[in-house]
Amino acid sequence: GAVVSQHPSWVICKSGTSVKIECRSLDFQATTMFWYRQFPKQSLMLMATSNEGSKATYEQGVEKDKFLINHASLTLSTLTVTSAHPEDSSFYICSAPSGNTDTQYFGPGTRLTVL
Amino acid sequence: SQQGEEDPQALSIQEGENATMNCSYKTSINNLQWYRQNSGRGLVHLILIRSNEREKHSGRLRVTLDTSKKSSSLLITASRAADTASYFCATGLGGAQKLVFGQGTRLTINP
Repeated sequence: GAVVSQHPSWVICKSGTSVKIECRSLDFQATTMFWYRQFPKQSLMLMATSNEGSKATYEQGVEKDKFLINHASLTLSTLTVTSAHPEDSSFYICSAPSGNTDTQYFGPGTRLTVL
Repeated sequence: SQQGEEDPQALSIQEGENATMNCSYKTSINNLQWYRQNSGRGLVHLILIRSNEREKHSGRLRVTLDTSKKSSSLLITASRAADTASYFCATGLGGAQKLVFGQGTRLTINP
């Protein structure tokens, strides 16, 4: 099956710094990728849709200047949390559909802790 | 925003028993999908059922969809300790391939 990786798997940073999270489709190309955030014991909340070659589409309430998304190639999307604060601490997960299917393949997630 | 409501929020059963989880949603959908998430991990796709389908099977999994009631159920038969995880339903809307997730059911299988 299709594989999506994320890097890093966990990161701890100081308040005010920026953190970049990578999402890669390893064996397929993805013109679209999705970024989710998950707080402990809660569900996944869609943050934004990453589009290769164009601007990301953000969900209502998600600050685009704080969560910068770049879909640099057909296999890589990055999420940069700028000026991170403790309330940004969360589990960030990306996904990508493979081909024209409706099935999403999820990365293993990145746990961000902001001190 | 959340699309689906899942119940129960938590379910604890003995190994070998069947586990049933329910999901309700609010808007029209193209498909409904079920995912499993082990603690602190990513999601694993279990099964997809399209809006014109009523029932689907995959191994020990059985999913039903009732579009008139805007609800779906996931049945896991002959549960195993390894089935312990959180289970989420997600609805696919339109052609954007976006998924909107339910709140999830935390399933615990006791050996």
